[in-house]
Amino acid sequence: QSVLTQPPSASGTPGQRVTISCSGGSSNIGSNSVSWYQQVPGTAPKLLIYRNNQRPSGIPDRFSGSKSGTSASLAISGLQSEDEAEYYCATWDDTLNGLVFGTGTKFTVL
Amino acid sequence: QVQLVQSGAEVKKPGASVRVSCKASGYSFSGYYIHWVRQAPGQGLEWMGWINTKSGGTNSAQKFQVRVTMTMDMSISTAYLELTSLRSDDTAVYYCARPYGGSTYSFDYWGQGTLVTVSS
Repeated sequence: QSVLTQPPSASGTPGQRVTISCSGGSSNIGSNSVSWYQQVPGTAPKLLIYRNNQRPSGIPDRFSGSKSGTSASLAISGLQSEDEAEYYCATWDDTLNGLVFGTGTKFTVL
Repeated sequence: QVQLVQSGAEVKKPGASVRVSCKASGYSFSGYYIHWVRQAPGQGLEWMGWINTKSGGTNSAQKFQVRVTMTMDMSISTAYLELTSLRSDDTAVYYCARPYGGSTYSFDYWGQGTLVTVSS
């Protein structure tokens, strides 16, 4: 049972802008920065966002992150079919003294 | 280019131990921690711990502290994860990962994953 809660599924149509939420608490999102990963089945996760809203080199600006209080969000604009994947948030938890991942959101492009 | 190459799939019986290796190349091994993350079939990601590749110090998630040992061989730029007293629910893909730039817990390079199957 993860301490970071994400919606199990989400969907959008090509070209649309969508957001995926990640809800936590004061010991994790409330006091530490959030990362976001994209995982296509059968492959390793890919870092999309670090430090709440920073993109690693090579990640298109269609992906953006934000954080407010004990929640974080990943936004994907200009949806493409290749965005169909599982998405995970992650952050450090001061109480557990460990890195925690969200429950994951299976994203479908309709 | 940066690469993390892991050892091959393993099949183990309950109660046995498994060791997974992660060989780094393309960067200074001692410059970045190595983390371990696992993923059970159809499940989410679970952080297991890290090893400081400069000092050898380790930190593991509370859940694994009794059963996990993380070590390294700096001479061959390789980190190891050993998990003991295996149970069926340890069946998972085990990944090693390297933090991104100045970040501590955001991972931009991952190994290809090692499937560990625990079955009698």
